[in-house]
Amino acid sequence: EAGVAQSPRYKIIEKRQSVAFWCNPISGHATLYWYQQILGQGPKLLIQFQNNGVVDDSQLPKDRFSAERLKGVDSTLKIQPAKLEDSAVYLCASSLQGRANEKLFFGSGTQLSVL
Amino acid sequence: GESVGLHLPTLSVQEGDNSIINCAYSNSASDYFIWYKQESGKGPQFIIDIRSNMDKRQGQRVTVLLNKTVKHLSLQIAATQPGDSAVYFCAENYHTGNQFYFGTGTSLTVIP
Repeated sequence: EAGVAQSPRYKIIEKRQSVAFWCNPISGHATLYWYQQILGQGPKLLIQFQNNGVVDDSQLPKDRFSAERLKGVDSTLKIQPAKLEDSAVYLCASSLQGRANEKLFFGSGTQLSVL
Repeated sequence: GESVGLHLPTLSVQEGDNSIINCAYSNSASDYFIWYKQESGKGPQFIIDIRSNMDKRQGQRVTVLLNKTVKHLSLQIAATQPGDSAVYFCAENYHTGNQFYFGTGTSLTVIP
């Protein structure tokens, strides 16, 4: 079974530029999550989708971050404009139905460096 | 929100010894926990989970213990191998929407 796919693996941009990350979850998984992992810290939830709807985006800095999952399968996360403090690994995860106590499966992440 | 914390940020063990990684959680409503292993440059990998109605769960070379009285989790790795070197996170779930909250992590180094 293919895992969660993410691209690109690395991205280097200057502050105030924009950037986008892509995620394709495990086939058949209805729930998709974006996490931000700053160096030396645990992952922090940014947004959760159930199919093509947003379940929770309370931790998403909406003045600069946006995410979509238009067809309920793959998803993109965008940052515009980027700040230095956005340097982190952006992890995508998926779970089967988003019910309580389901395992999350993670992709390898996109490492973003903002200069 | 409440945070998940780890007691030891780093741990070094000799190959073949047993490892114990600890985790404290503060939300008494948490009812499901997962231990993840994260190797450098990779995403977190599921190791083992436990529900709050259990005290102990065993997997292959790993055991998770849950003490709800003191809100403490531990991950025991038997016969630690060099491939076990990684950062280990505990994650708690107390949201009906299946959201997980992660601690800071413990870096495990296995000395050959």
